[in-house]
Amino acid sequence: ETGVTQSPTHLIKTRGQQVTLRCSSQSGHNTVSWYQQALGQGPQFIFQYYREEENGRGNFPPRFSGLQFPNYSSELNVNALELDDSALYLCASSLRGGGAFQETQYFGPGTRLLVL
Amino acid sequence: AQSVTQLDSQVPVFEEAPVELRCNYSSSVSVYLFWYVQYPNQGLQLLLKYLSGSTLVKGINGFEAEFNKSQTSFHLRKPSVHISDTAEYFCAVRYNFNKFYFGSGTKLNVKP
Repeated sequence: ETGVTQSPTHLIKTRGQQVTLRCSSQSGHNTVSWYQQALGQGPQFIFQYYREEENGRGNFPPRFSGLQFPNYSSELNVNALELDDSALYLCASSLRGGGAFQETQYFGPGTRLLVL
Repeated sequence: AQSVTQLDSQVPVFEEAPVELRCNYSSSVSVYLFWYVQYPNQGLQLLLKYLSGSTLVKGINGFEAEFNKSQTSFHLRKPSVHISDTAEYFCAVRYNFNKFYFGSGTKLNVKP
């Protein structure tokens, strides 16, 4: 069984730039969720993708967008980067439709983004 | 609004002592509850989960948690901690299939 992987591991951008983060879901999972974890805080839900469509969104502006591909991998795109976007971005995958015991989220190691 | 509160931001404890990390949530509907652990510069690892059934849930590394519906709590316990348990612990609540809320975390510092 392959776990959740994310790339890149670290990234440095400047304010105003755009960034794309990538996530490969765990084998057999069909749902991907993205979280932002600022330093010293708990993860904050950004959005979730299921069947290649956004399916639930947290309190994040539209410049945070995403994609899910037919193989269930996913991208998180952030436009017009701001200094406060500096954080650890976590991807989690789960299996929707496998019953409650299947819908547990498994997390990747994260991408640490620094905006200067 | 739904929320998750971890009452202690830091918990220092000596090795082999028992520990309890507290978590309370606000909800008027059924929830699923989770504890995750995060080691420095790593992602989150699932410790245990409560989905239904017995209110006492056992997880990995000797941790257990008890779901208390009347007190809306899901406290994490371990009878004897080890140095390797030093990490940050997050309580999380899932209210439906696409709403997952985390607490602010508790840093467990196990001293020799």
